[in-house]
Amino acid sequence: GEEVAQTPKHLVRGEGQKAKLYCAPIKGHSYVFWYQQVLKNEFKFLISFQNENVFDETGMPKERFSAKCLPNSPCSLEIQATKLEDSAVYFCASSQTQVFSYEQYFGPGTRLTVT
Amino acid sequence: KQEVTQIPAALSVPEGENLVLNCSFTDSAIYNLQWFRQDPGKGLTSLLLIQSSQREQTSGRLNASLDKSSGRSTLYIAASQPGDSATYLCAVTNQAGTALIFGKGTTLSVSS
Repeated sequence: GEEVAQTPKHLVRGEGQKAKLYCAPIKGHSYVFWYQQVLKNEFKFLISFQNENVFDETGMPKERFSAKCLPNSPCSLEIQATKLEDSAVYFCASSQTQVFSYEQYFGPGTRLTVT
Repeated sequence: KQEVTQIPAALSVPEGENLVLNCSFTDSAIYNLQWFRQDPGKGLTSLLLIQSSQREQTSGRLNASLDKSSGRSTLYIAASQPGDSATYLCAVTNQAGTALIFGKGTTLSVSS
C-alpha cells in the first residue's frame, strides 16, 4: 500500500495482560521501525528491521517486549504482562532502502491504554 | 549520546507572520535530519528531509536549513496560516544510522 497501516487504532488491556500491535509497511519498503510516544512529545525508538532481520534493537525493553517481521505478514510488536507505564502511542514507520538516506514514513499509531 | 533540543516549546503567532523554529543536536555525526508535523491525536507527517551533505531544503512555504558543524537546524514557515497549527518535530539519525532521535517538539498556534 501507499501508507503505513497500523492496527488496532486503540487497545485497552488490564495490567498483566498481553498486547499485540500490527504494522504493514509501505509496499517496497525494506525497513520497519517502532517508536513509543509517551506523554505528549517524547518519542523513544524501540526496534528496527531490515526485511525480517532485526536491524537495531537497542531501544527494546528486553524482558517483556518482542517484535517480528515475517515474510508476507504484517510486522508485530508484542508486550507480555503489560504494565501501567506501557500506556503510550506506538508508531510504526517504514523506509525505502539505506535507512540513513531515505525518509521514514509513519503510520497513524496504536494507542495502548493499560488499566 | 545524541540529544535533540527544540526551542521554543510553544509559539503563538497571528496569521500571516513569518516564523522560525529551532532545532539543535549535540553530535554532528548525523546522516540526515527530518522535520515532521504532528496534528493532535494523529501520526507524523514528514515535511522535509535534509541530507547531511545538504544545507537546505524547500517545500512550498517551508524552508529548512542545516548547519551540521554547529549542530543546528531551522524550519522557516512563511506567511503562516491557521492550518499550520500543529506540533513540529525535528529528528536526526543516530550514529549508526539505524533510528531517529527526536526532539520534544514546538507546538505552534496560528490565530486568524
